[in-house]
Amino acid sequence: QVQLVESGGGVVQPGGSLRLSCAASGFIFNTYVMHWVRQAPGKGLEWVALIVSDGSNRYYGDSVKGRFTISRDNFKNTLDLQMNSLRADDMAVYYCAKGGATIKGPFHIWGQGTMVTVSS
Amino acid sequence: QSVLTQPPSVSAAPGQMVTISCSGSSSNIGNNYVSWYQQLPGTAPKLLIYENNKRPSGIPDRFSGSKSGTSATLGITGLQTGDEADYYCGTWDSSLSAWVFGGGTKLTVL
Repeated sequence: QVQLVESGGGVVQPGGSLRLSCAASGFIFNTYVMHWVRQAPGKGLEWVALIVSDGSNRYYGDSVKGRFTISRDNFKNTLDLQMNSLRADDMAVYYCAKGGATIKGPFHIWGQGTMVTVSS
Repeated sequence: QSVLTQPPSVSAAPGQMVTISCSGSSSNIGNNYVSWYQQLPGTAPKLLIYENNKRPSGIPDRFSGSKSGTSATLGITGLQTGDEADYYCGTWDSSLSAWVFGGGTKLTVL
């Protein structure tokens, strides 16, 4: 079945870096837009970034632009999020989500999430 | 402050009906499809409605969606205690070139 499994979360100091990964299975990975969405403790959903199916185009939320980089490997069926200059307000559960064929397609499938804690 | 506006909470009795509103603008809801997500306590969100009013396979027809102008509505009939969750609307914002979500609505089934 369609599955997304995130990894890489943990505790990092303010200003530090972390790389999240998402392993995809059960669907033709290279035909779908992929997203990262986060949720701070007790808060709502915040879209972080997307990457189109062939990796040629990426979009970012304003709060992470210039600090986070989304990438994908269509041979390994993996999605990554490189997070630099982490701040306290980046602390959240980060979800990988399967989008549609276009950037406007909904989030069909979500992973279980991986927690990122930013603390000194 | 979220780009899309939802009521923080709604409540109704088992078996009753409830609606959750989602208000936006011409750059988001007005010109793009709306999707709705259900997040049960302690779990990841799940797609409930897409393209304004379509249900993915496995979603019961008790859940419905509609859109008019710059607002969208999620309807749930025959409420069950298992429907207690947070519900989020989402759509692409063409001006921001970003996906935007509502702040979420907590449904309580009394």
